[in-house]
Amino acid sequence: GDSVTQMEGPVTLSEEAFLTINCTYTATGYPSLFWYVQYPGEGLQLLLKATKADDKGSNKGFEATYRKETTSFHLEKGSVQVSDSAVYFCALSGSGANSKLTFGKGITLSVRP
Amino acid sequence: EAQVTQNPRYLITVTGKKLTVTCSQNMNHEYMSWYRQDPGLGLRQIYYSMNVEVTDKGDVPEGYKVSRKEKRNFPLILESPSPNQTSLYFCASSAYTGITEAFFGQGTRLTVV
Repeated sequence: GDSVTQMEGPVTLSEEAFLTINCTYTATGYPSLFWYVQYPGEGLQLLLKATKADDKGSNKGFEATYRKETTSFHLEKGSVQVSDSAVYFCALSGSGANSKLTFGKGITLSVRP
Repeated sequence: EAQVTQNPRYLITVTGKKLTVTCSQNMNHEYMSWYRQDPGLGLRQIYYSMNVEVTDKGDVPEGYKVSRKEKRNFPLILESPSPNQTSLYFCASSAYTGITEAFFGQGTRLTVV
């Protein structure tokens, strides 16, 4: 079945550091890929998405490119802020009619001033 | 404002005492689902519903029930809660499955003693 693998955490960075969070996936067909973010005490919210190979999703300075050849969707940001501290989930949705979101385990990012 | 509302936010109960967690969305979404979030396991789908009166099991349905009598509501029922159901629960809705964004409630932290 479908699966998503995220790098182990937690991750602690200083403000203005470069961020990369790795995500790889296993799926049949042509899934859509997502990054969701969960701020403390809140539900998940969509950060960005990409629906086909070579698409780049971007939002709030974050970017991720759908790489079919490496089955990856790594999240990057050039300069993190304290307000980016949160839990980040990579997810995929399959191409079938009843496709559901399959999530990675999530990774906690802490940004210190 | 588009939102998914869960109640209660926090609940402590005893083993075997039936409880219901409510979920309501105001976006006229077809698709709704329940997830549980546990440390090191990410989010796992419990049940989902494609439309009114159409529900199906997700990855971890044991010990849970759902119903979808109206489009906007999707309650989660624990008939006889056990300590292994202590978790953080999220309700989510989306217009369809696949490429559309899922909107999440703020979560219900359930403790079963």
